[in-house]
Amino acid sequence: NAGVTQTPKFRILKIGQSMTLQCTQDMNHNYMYWYRQDPGMGLKLIYYSVGAGITDKGEVPNGYNVSRSTTEDFPLRLELAAPSQTSVYFCASSYRDTVYEQYFGPGTRLTVT
Amino acid sequence: KNEVEQSPQNLTAQEGEFITINCSYSVGISALHWLQQHPGGGIVSLFMLSSGKKKHGRLIATINIQEKHSSLHITASHPRDSAVYICAVKSSGGGADGLTFGKGTHLIIQP
Repeated sequence: NAGVTQTPKFRILKIGQSMTLQCTQDMNHNYMYWYRQDPGMGLKLIYYSVGAGITDKGEVPNGYNVSRSTTEDFPLRLELAAPSQTSVYFCASSYRDTVYEQYFGPGTRLTVT
Repeated sequence: KNEVEQSPQNLTAQEGEFITINCSYSVGISALHWLQQHPGGGIVSLFMLSSGKKKHGRLIATINIQEKHSSLHITASHPRDSAVYICAVKSSGGGADGLTFGKGTHLIIQP
């Protein structure tokens, strides 16, 4: 199994551009999450999904959108990128909710200039 | 909102030393996770605890629910243990799923 995969690994965006961060898991997990990690700070939840067709906001959802059309894929969309969105983004999945082991993707390092 | 505090923030030790990393949280939880973030950035799950103690190899994790405190211990530390160790909790109240994370403890084990 590949586990949780993310693309791209690195990306530089100009202010106002848009992009989609891809996340795929092959473990048939129902729950998927997007987190961001800023220097010196703990990871923060952006959005999560409890199954195909169901998404909900986390702690820091502004400026992002998600969709979950399949169990495997959970893309994160950035519209009108801003310097404040410069961060490392991690996708994670778990069999059910967060009382189960979390599996993380390798991360996407995004810079907005 | 749960606050998660880790100590120390940074720890440098010699190979072979016994290491303890602490995690305190402010409100009730249903689960606590210990994660390891490698120097390359990848994050792996070490333990998930809801009570008591777990052991895996040289790693031991304990939790005291009444005191809202958990510790991660590393016995016979080795340079390959150098990483950032992150504590994260799932609050037992309602609200969004997902974890609340501490800022991490940066551990360096010198040969």
